[in-house]
Amino acid sequence: GQQVQQSPASLVLQEGENAELQCNFSTSLNSMQWFYQRPEGSLVSLFYNPSGTKQSGRLTSTTVIKERRSSLHISSSQITDSGTYLCAMERMGSALGRLHFGAGTQLIVIP
Amino acid sequence: EAAVTQSPRSKVAVTGGKVTLSCHQTNNHDYMYWYRQDTGHGLRLIHYSYVADSTEKGDIPDGYKASRPSQENFSLILELASLSQTAVYFCASRVGAETLYFGSGTRLTVL
Repeated sequence: GQQVQQSPASLVLQEGENAELQCNFSTSLNSMQWFYQRPEGSLVSLFYNPSGTKQSGRLTSTTVIKERRSSLHISSSQITDSGTYLCAMERMGSALGRLHFGAGTQLIVIP
Repeated sequence: EAAVTQSPRSKVAVTGGKVTLSCHQTNNHDYMYWYRQDTGHGLRLIHYSYVADSTEKGDIPDGYKASRPSQENFSLILELASLSQTAVYFCASRVGAETLYFGSGTRLTVL
């Protein structure tokens, strides 16, 4: 079954609104990461966040390993935030770098 | 800034033909990975490598071979391309337990 579940699958925001994206894991994890996929397809790493909370500008990632979940908070959304947000986990006991990705949350920010 | 370069950017292949996707990194990273992404889905790991001249199977290796002739170069080979291998392919590199750096992707269409 699906090891990484992301929600919501898609989201439409008005510019300036906040968003909370969720990632849930079905197995114990070593670490997890968040990526942003631009509309044209390229991938950018947002956070490597094995546990706790990390912030970068308007983005905040929180991982709670015991609860097998991670979230990405986007504050004051901008049109340029549009794209797909992917989370990926590294399973406990698996070889380094064997990431399992969720299907992504497609975000559309409108004026 | 880490650099991972993939070639070609896109390719159209015929069913049963041989396809080679190339990846070059200038990051001096030990770990390299090949992922595929199907429309509307997350990424899935095909093959990976920890060191030159050695490759490992990922989660979906059937129908693919990999080659790592040097630390900088990692190729993905489809000996007999099939329709089901139409997808976008991403190469990535990593050092230790840190974030992945992705190439821009190769869009492969098998007809």
